[in-house]
Amino acid sequence: RKEVEQDPGPFNVPEGATVAFNCTYSNSASQSFFWYRQDCRKEPKLLMSVYSSGNEDGRFTAQLNRASQYISLLIRDSKLSDSATYLCVAGSARQLTFGSGTQLTVLP
Amino acid sequence: GAGVSQSPSNKVTEKGKDVELRCDPISGHTALYWYRQSLGQGLEFLIYFQGNSAPDKSGLPSDRFSAERTGGSVSTLTIQRTQQEDSAVYLCASSLRGYNQPQHFGDGTRLSIL
Repeated sequence: RKEVEQDPGPFNVPEGATVAFNCTYSNSASQSFFWYRQDCRKEPKLLMSVYSSGNEDGRFTAQLNRASQYISLLIRDSKLSDSATYLCVAGSARQLTFGSGTQLTVLP
Repeated sequence: GAGVSQSPSNKVTEKGKDVELRCDPISGHTALYWYRQSLGQGLEFLIYFQGNSAPDKSGLPSDRFSAERTGGSVSTLTIQRTQQEDSAVYLCASSLRGYNQPQHFGDGTRLSIL
């Protein structure tokens, strides 16, 4: 079993749609959580950190459920420019583990 | 510079040659990481440096791979006797401290072994 698991997709959604990505982690010692986005043939870029209370940044909302060891990312009013691979990341004092990513394509 | 800087951007070399890849982390970041990513695949952790602590080399795929970090700043990843399966993008990242901090990535070095 992978330490951080994501649905690889692809998710193909129309512009303006709301899309949600889920991620589970197996290391109960994980303390820090992040979402990154990676455009084709580019490096990963930090999208947002994920806090226990949940957090929002514009059209993006991240939530954490420690009991279920589950992280989510919600994108509202999706734009063409949101097309990318979204990587879920879980960190502890000893390691940082990236998921394999979920591919999103927003269609005009 | 403002971000993580890697060089070269691209490297093409013949099988069997040695290559050196360089990473200059964000100033003040004590943690430095090397990953590689093959086309269409996820990130593969290679090695992690944190301050003056012994590096975590648990991700290095073979003894042909080594890395050092001089003066707690610039890092060099060396691949000896390159093989075709070493072809990938090698990404370096740095963070303010350790694993609990968000990482900032360089643009990567695209390595092609002929």
